Amino acid sequence: GEDVEQSLFLSVREGDSSVINCTYTDSSSTYLYWYKQEPGAGLQLLTYIFSNMDMKQDQRLTVLLNKKDKHLSLRIADTQTGDSAIYFCAESMADSWGKLQFGAGTQVVVTP
Amino acid sequence: GAGVSQSPSNKVTEKGKDVELRCDPISGHTALYWYRQSLGQGLEFLIYFQGNSAPDKSGLPSDRFSAERTGGSVSTLTIQRTQQEDSAVYLCASSEGSGTGTYNEQFFGPGTRLTVL
Repeated sequence: GEDVEQSLFLSVREGDSSVINCTYTDSSSTYLYWYKQEPGAGLQLLTYIFSNMDMKQDQRLTVLLNKKDKHLSLRIADTQTGDSAIYFCAESMADSWGKLQFGAGTQVVVTP
Repeated sequence: GAGVSQSPSNKVTEKGKDVELRCDPISGHTALYWYRQSLGQGLEFLIYFQGNSAPDKSGLPSDRFSAERTGGSVSTLTIQRTQQEDSAVYLCASSEGSGTGTYNEQFFGPGTRLTVL
């Protein structure tokens, strides 16, 4: 089974904020990542956070990390139609640098 | 090109046949990864290569799956005696080599969509 869990679908109106949630199980995770996959395209790294941080902001993106609850979230401010995509969270393990454990992905649909 | 490329983009095969999927990583990247993306299964790690080290094959689902990386660059994922459950998008990624505990941005190719009839 998956060690990283995400809700599968999110619908949001253009201009609103989107919040995508993720839970993980490995307390030794070093980095946590958010990837975006647009239709017909490969995955693209959006942002990442080191496990000793609580928050990271990058333009319209805010990542929050709650290590106690093993909960990661991605907030997209002023959501645009171009933000419609599948968003994956992923964790890298302390004992296996190369292996990223991905969630199933959250499909975000932005409506006008 | 500047990105990770994969070929073919689509492959349709009959059950029982062998297939080879190719990945060209970004020049200079020492780490290369294969993932599988199935409907409802998310992204599943298969194998990764780091420089001259022995590959981490812990994600390969069966002994029908194997991968090689020749000359530290191009990689081939081979699936023998394909089954219908092998149908998926196979993604390749590469990254600059580094070590445990360090940041690891993986750059993904567009994938190969495999359909086993």
